[in-house]
Amino acid sequence: QAVLTQPSSLSASPGASASLTCTLRSDINVAAYGISWYQQKPGSPPLFLLRYRSDSDKQQGSGVPSRFSGSKDASANAGILLISGLQSEDEADYYCLIWYSSAWVFGGGTKLTVL
Amino acid sequence: QVQLQQSGPGLVKPSQTLSLTCAISGDSVSSNSGTWNWIRQSPSRGLEWLGRTYYRSKWYNDYAISVKSRIVINPDTSKNQFSLQLNSATPEDTAIYYCAKEGYGLDLWGQGTTVTVSS
Repeated sequence: QAVLTQPSSLSASPGASASLTCTLRSDINVAAYGISWYQQKPGSPPLFLLRYRSDSDKQQGSGVPSRFSGSKDASANAGILLISGLQSEDEADYYCLIWYSSAWVFGGGTKLTVL
Repeated sequence: QVQLQQSGPGLVKPSQTLSLTCAISGDSVSSNSGTWNWIRQSPSRGLEWLGRTYYRSKWYNDYAISVKSRIVINPDTSKNQFSLQLNSATPEDTAIYYCAKEGYGLDLWGQGTTVTVSS
């Protein structure tokens, strides 16, 4: 089982909110990890959006709008990227990342379609 | 403002060494707070972290298990850059390669270099 699991795709309407999940393998407790989130558009490298560990330990990427926010769902053992007020420019691939077992580990990514 | 500029060949023959360089501006490869990474991305493997180098009174390296026997990441303090060498390349190493600076995660990325391993 993969360390980080993301749904392969998600669709949402302009102006709505989108909640992207990153589920940690069941033996890895989400409470112990900071989860970083990235946006990637075709032909460009991933862009750091934010890192979230807790409400008191979170960092926003430089110039990243506040409508991008992070949280956790302990019951689902998952990190969440919430994008509010969706815009067409938010259509992209989104990846999560943690430092686990002496390595950076990426999720498989979620393709967000805004339509 | 920190920037990372990658360079290196886009075509490598099988069994040869894949070599890339990441030049740093606005920061120092030997700073005690910087950590410098290599990542690759392919359709079959997604985003895959390869390894990193950093200086904390001495140099350290960490490598992904999947490439540990074939990889070397070296800092070059004279040119303020760091390099990736991946030995015994195979077609499975065909990917877009990125360098990145660690911060809260992998906060700043180079532009990417598409490398094809083919004869």
